[in-house]
Formats: sequence, structure tokens, C-alpha cells
Amino acid sequence: DAGVTQSPTHLIKTRGQQVTLRCSPKSGHDTVSWYQQALGQGPQFIFQYYEEEERQRGNFPDRFSGHQFPNYSSELNVNALLLGDSALYLCASSGGLAGGGNEQFFGPGTRLTVL
Amino acid sequence: QKEVEQNSGPLSVPEGAIASLNCTYSDRGSQSFFWYRQYSGKSPELIMFIYSNGDKEDGRFTAQLNKASQYVSLLIRDSQPSDSATYLCAVNMYSGGGADGLTFGKGTHLIIQP
Repeated sequence: DAGVTQSPTHLIKTRGQQVTLRCSPKSGHDTVSWYQQALGQGPQFIFQYYEEEERQRGNFPDRFSGHQFPNYSSELNVNALLLGDSALYLCASSGGLAGGGNEQFFGPGTRLTVL
Repeated sequence: QKEVEQNSGPLSVPEGAIASLNCTYSDRGSQSFFWYRQYSGKSPELIMFIYSNGDKEDGRFTAQLNKASQYVSLLIRDSQPSDSATYLCAVNMYSGGGADGLTFGKGTHLIIQP
């Protein structure tokens, strides 16, 4: 049973560039949530996707956008990168309405460095 | 503004002893409570969740919830060096539309001393 997968593992970008991160949820899960974790901090909720729509959003600017595909996989896009966007980006999947589970399981994360 | 507070530590516990980790939350509407373990350089791993007042036990782990005091705790019995990690407390609401995004504390760094 494959868990949550994310790609790429590491990424280095320069200020002003755009980046796309990808996530495939755990088998049987249909809801994907994205989090940003800065060094020494707990993860911060960015947004959540269910049925290919953004269901809920945290306190992040519009530079952060996402998408969910019919196979439940998801992308996180960040435009106009800032130095402060350097962080570990985590994807978590959960059962949503179909799976019935509230528990969220994390992928290995993508380490983004902005120079 | 939802807040989750944890003592950042480090909390140092001798091997074989009980480690006690605590967490308070500000939003009385919070319905679900989670403990994640995060090793350095790795992603969070779900180890316990609790939805009702009282205790929930799973192996060496016990989660305790007191909604009146807005307090959640995690006990680790017979602590092992492999338990050394950062423990993240997280809360959310589960509305009719599904589970909300998690609000995390900053985590408690636990060190088990051999």
C-alpha cells in the first residue's frame, strides 16, 4: 500500500521564479492538504483540496495556488518566490467524505531553497 | 486566531521512564486532536489521535484529552532512545464538509538519555 509521495525531494530556485510541487495521496484517500514548515516551527496550513476544488485556505497570499486532478493527485504552485518561502513543503492526505477519516498522513516533503 | 501552545524543550527523560508531553489550544470549537512525531530532517508521522475526553492507549503511548481545560497530553511509557524526536501537537475541526486543515504547535523536542 503506497503512502503519500511527493516530488521533487529538493529544489533550489532564485527570487522571483515560480515553482511547482507535486503530491500523490495515499491509496483510498481523496483529500489533499498542503503545509509549509519553516525551520524550528510547526507546519502551517496553506490550503486543502477536495473534489478538484480548494475547500479551505490558511493565511497565505495569492502567490500560493494549487490544483487537484481527477486521480486526486495535487500540485502546489508558488509564484514570485521570496527568500522567506524557503521551507519544507508537506503534503498530507486524508479520507475526506469518501474515506470518512479525519486523520492526515504526511508525505516525505519537498525542501525548497530560495536564493 | 487559533493557537496551539507547546513547551519547546528540550525535555530530557532517562531511558525506561515515562515521558509526559503537554499541549494547550485556544479554540474551544476544536474537535480532533493529534500527536505527530518528527525526526530531524524527516516529515511528521502520526502516532496518536483522540476525539473524546479521557484517555486513549496504544501500546506504549497514551493520549489524554480534557476539553474543559483545553488541554491535551501524550505519555510515552518505557521511553527508548528511538523515541528521541520532536513531538507536534495538532488540532482541527471536522465539519460536515470534511476535516479542516490542522493547526500545529511548534513542537516539543524530547531527548531520551540512555
